[in-house]
Amino acid sequence: SVLTQSPGTLSLSPGERATLSCRASQSINNNLLAWYQQKPGQAPRLLIYAASSRATGISDRFSGSGSGTDFILTITRLEPEDFAVYYCQQYGAPPTFGQGTKVEIK
Amino acid sequence: EVLLLESGGGLVQPGGSLRLSCAASGFAFWNYPMAWVRQAPGKGLEWVSTMSAQTRKTHYADSVKGRFTISRDDSEDTLFLQMNNLGDEDTAIYFCAKVGQMILGYFDSWGQGTLVTVSS
Repeated sequence: SVLTQSPGTLSLSPGERATLSCRASQSINNNLLAWYQQKPGQAPRLLIYAASSRATGISDRFSGSGSGTDFILTITRLEPEDFAVYYCQQYGAPPTFGQGTKVEIK
Repeated sequence: EVLLLESGGGLVQPGGSLRLSCAASGFAFWNYPMAWVRQAPGKGLEWVSTMSAQTRKTHYADSVKGRFTISRDDSEDTLFLQMNNLGDEDTAIYFCAKVGQMILGYFDSWGQGTLVTVSS
């Protein structure tokens, strides 16, 4: 399944809400979709798995939703440390990633 | 705390070989599938390979099948990636990752990566 993320870049101010989209070319069974955050020079960090379950230690400002082919990552009240690149990933089949959405400071 | 430490990256000529290692600690390594994920410079993430625990079942991306071999030594808590017939397209940071919940699952812990550069 090909994952397409939009927008490519999201320019927002601290305190604003970010809404990131991940669309799959085929329905993802059992909502086997994860979200990661990656900052420059760092490894990715798991945020969300099973479309809506937060990983250990992840702030409740991060939430995932969606099913089938359309998934959303929402970040409420952006903090300075949230500006990064975000990837979605489908699993349960050979894993594939979306191309990423960069959340930058406006 | 889960720690994953990759090593073995470097500069290699096209057609050459390299073996990456990933030393794990902080969890029951023998009980978890493990994976390699790579990221070409300035690009996105690409899954490379996964090996299950116990059964040692392996999975590969089409882009590396027949050239790369994943293996693990549970007595040393170490994951390996043998890379042969390397091409320019294999230039990337290679991350070792612990897999969650199922063999082809999400990646719940990552190492810092090791850079592989294929160039003449």
